[in-house]
Amino acid sequence: NAGVTQTPKFQVLKTGQSMTLQCAQDMNHEYMSWYRQDPGMGLRLIHYSVGAGITDQGEVPNGYNVSRSTTEDFPLRLLSAAPSQTSVYFCASSYGGHRLGNTGELFFGEGSRLTVL
Amino acid sequence: AQSVTQLGSHVSVSEGALVLLRCNYSSSVPPYLFWYVQYPNQGLQLLLKYTSAATLVKGINGFEAEFKKSETSFHLTKPSAHMSDAAEYFCAVSDLNSGYSTLTFGKGTMLLVSP
Repeated sequence: NAGVTQTPKFQVLKTGQSMTLQCAQDMNHEYMSWYRQDPGMGLRLIHYSVGAGITDQGEVPNGYNVSRSTTEDFPLRLLSAAPSQTSVYFCASSYGGHRLGNTGELFFGEGSRLTVL
Repeated sequence: AQSVTQLGSHVSVSEGALVLLRCNYSSSVPPYLFWYVQYPNQGLQLLLKYTSAATLVKGINGFEAEFKKSETSFHLTKPSAHMSDAAEYFCAVSDLNSGYSTLTFGKGTMLLVSP
């Protein structure tokens, strides 16, 4: 019963390096999203996807890229890391769409803690 | 746009005391509302949710919340705090206008429980 799986759990980068945070879900959810969590700021939406091949920007998209080639996977790419991207990143998924029985409840991964030096 | 305000970044209670965590929202349409809990170094776990059925919602671990439309509030309560309740709590509102599960979160309230 894996749910939402994020890797890696911890990562240290130098400024300018690139990396990809992986996210996979096994619940056949249409909707997937990435949030970042910073002290005193709550969770802020970076990017989201409503299905394979469809992505859109959230509140804080700058410096991040996403793609959705399959229903299960939704990787987050940092092309040139900056110290301002030091944060804890959460991937979350949902059934998507406000159909009968879908309330918008999100299921979260355990998080990926990123430090950019 | 939807927004959520959580009053108090930190709330301290004694073990056995009433827990009250405040949440106010703004929404142009009837909302779906959620409370999530985050224990140290873990992801977010759903405590309870309001989905336009009963206005008093019961969740896990003895928590409950009451939806009050006139006050645009969804405060979280627990009659008697336990040491294991120490965690950060997030209130969130679902953006029904988008048709999908975009949640807007409050900034969180850290609950501290002392013996």
